[in-house]
Amino acid sequence: EADIYQTPRYLVIGTGKKITLECSQTMGHDKMYWYQQDPGMELHLIHYSYGVNSTEKGDLSSESTVSRIRTEHFPLTLESARPSHTSQYLCASSESQGLSYGYTFGSGTRLTVV
Amino acid sequence: GDSVTQMEGPVTLSEEAFLTINCTYTATGYPSLFWYVQYPGEGLQLLLKATKADDKGSNKGFEATYRKETTSFHLEKGSVQVSDSAVYFCALTAYSSASKIIFGSGTRLSIRP
Repeated sequence: EADIYQTPRYLVIGTGKKITLECSQTMGHDKMYWYQQDPGMELHLIHYSYGVNSTEKGDLSSESTVSRIRTEHFPLTLESARPSHTSQYLCASSESQGLSYGYTFGSGTRLTVV
Repeated sequence: GDSVTQMEGPVTLSEEAFLTINCTYTATGYPSLFWYVQYPGEGLQLLLKATKADDKGSNKGFEATYRKETTSFHLEKGSVQVSDSAVYFCALTAYSSASKIIFGSGTRLSIRP
């Protein structure tokens, strides 16, 4: 049973369109993350948040933006999609305290920009 | 900085074979260590974890032991099944990395019937 939900699962969209990938969690976690996963499987952190009104850029530069207005919701927006944005996007969340809890991941959104 | 190195794939085995996927880490202090599994078309799922030296994490027949002396956390399974075909990620969290999880590059495992 998933406690973190991503929609849509699959999206094919034309170049130049604005899109928002949704991520919601029901666990009350303060920390949330967005990863981009390339076809070679490697995971790249693109955004994270440690709580409401807190957002930071990750290790990989991304043209996307995020917001965190509510604890449970962490949407990712691309203002103008390009073919180079084609990828799998994974959302995750974690407990605030300690190192031992790990992350809970959503099922991902596979984005194709044509 | 903190890092995780895991064996490159793909790894292809026959059903019922013994599996080892090597993972070594570099971190300051005492990290927590994890193995995640990603089945085709899905997100990552936590497979097992260990939070201190000599701890053994286990789940679904998979095991890994936190070895501080060799900075390793190798994943093992005695008899793999076709359903174990997936991508496996070794990972760590440490205060020196601001508690953000550090992933290895992933190892793709394929099991032949």
